[in-house]
Amino acid sequence: GENVEQHPSTLSVQEGDSAVIKCTYSDSASNYFPWYKQELGKGPQLIIDIRSNVGEKKDQRIAVTLNKTAKHFSLHITETQPEDSAVYFCAAHNNNDMRFGAGTRLTVKP
Amino acid sequence: EPEVTQTPSHQVTQMGQEVILRCVPISNHLYFYWYRQILGQKVEFLVSFYNNEISEKSEIFDDQFSVERPDGSNFTLKIRSTKLEDSAMYFCASSGQGAYNSPLHFGNGTRLTVT
Repeated sequence: GENVEQHPSTLSVQEGDSAVIKCTYSDSASNYFPWYKQELGKGPQLIIDIRSNVGEKKDQRIAVTLNKTAKHFSLHITETQPEDSAVYFCAAHNNNDMRFGAGTRLTVKP
Repeated sequence: EPEVTQTPSHQVTQMGQEVILRCVPISNHLYFYWYRQILGQKVEFLVSFYNNEISEKSEIFDDQFSVERPDGSNFTLKIRSTKLEDSAMYFCASSGQGAYNSPLHFGNGTRLTVT
């Protein structure tokens, strides 16, 4: 089955700096790659996603890149704000089975 | 905005007891999922459900687990004989057209504590 690796496990940045979280996946048949933000006591909330026919997608301060050949995808957050502090999960989807990475705890220091 | 609701928010049970976790997916969604998250760890896939049957299940989803859509609105996860290691947050999710075509929407979870 699919295996998703995510790095780093924790990330601390100063407000205004950029944050990058990287994931790799194992199953070349995976075709959909969402990113979720999880705040304390809540379920994961989708923040951005990318499909396998696209290399990059941007939504305001958030961007995601996908390298299908290398099976890498990354989340980029620019101009970070304290409210960006949360746990971020990448995921890879194949058929009706979506697997998550282990998560990155992002802390944005004011 | 429509949302996935889960009840109860916290369930405490004794080892060996049966528990049923309940979810009301978004009303026009067709695909339903259960995930679990042991404290501080990754979100793990348990099972997906479509057209009144299981589509995929993980190695975690053994004979102790079952899912059901007993009516047009509820989607339940049953654990027949709970073990200590079943203690976790359980998240229900739904999507309109399968995850590739429409994203998963998660509920806020049920925290299951097995004593």
